Amino acid sequence: GAVVSQHPSWVICKSGTSVKIECRSLDFQATTMFWYRQFPKQSLMLMATSNEGSKATYEQGVEKDKFLINHASLTLSTLTVTSAHPEDSSFYICSAPQDSREETQYFGPGTRLLVL
Amino acid sequence: GQQVMQIPQYQHVQEGEDFTTYCNSSTTLSNIQWYKQRPGGHPVFLIQLVKSGEVKKQKRLTFQFGEAKKNSSLHITATQTTDVGTYFCAGFDDYKLSFGAGTTVTVRA
Repeated sequence: GAVVSQHPSWVICKSGTSVKIECRSLDFQATTMFWYRQFPKQSLMLMATSNEGSKATYEQGVEKDKFLINHASLTLSTLTVTSAHPEDSSFYICSAPQDSREETQYFGPGTRLLVL
Repeated sequence: GQQVMQIPQYQHVQEGEDFTTYCNSSTTLSNIQWYKQRPGGHPVFLIQLVKSGEVKKQKRLTFQFGEAKKNSSLHITATQTTDVGTYFCAGFDDYKLSFGAGTTVTVRA
């Protein structure tokens, strides 16, 4: 089946640095991708909807200047956590729709971010 | 906005026993989806329910969608150690998914 990849799978960084996470759809195109954040033992919280060729749509309470999203092609979306702080440490997961109706999702393997 | 509630949060099951996890939405859903996340892994799509009162089965898993399209359940029979993980329901509305809190299942042999 279709696969969504994420890179890196793990990242440890110092407070104040920026971290870029890539999400790729490997054998299909995705005009829309979704970015989620999951804290330990908690559910997935949608952060934003990434739209190819246009601005991302952010959920309420998510700072768009802190979490920069770029969807430059039909197979790649990136999330940049700018000026990361320890409270940004989390599991970041992207997803892409399984079909044209964009209802069900393939999830990437996730990126674990630890900010020291 | 849409809220999806899921209970129980934890389910510790004896191998071979059955259990059910329940999901309720504050609004009527166009569809509901179930995902499974193994420890340390990412969510994997299990099934989508669209029609009112729909029932679908996948081997030992039975999924139901309520008549009002506001609740759903997942029933697992004869639990096996491979069933370990967290099961999330997710309501689809306004072009996005809202996830329940998940039911984390552990199995004792």
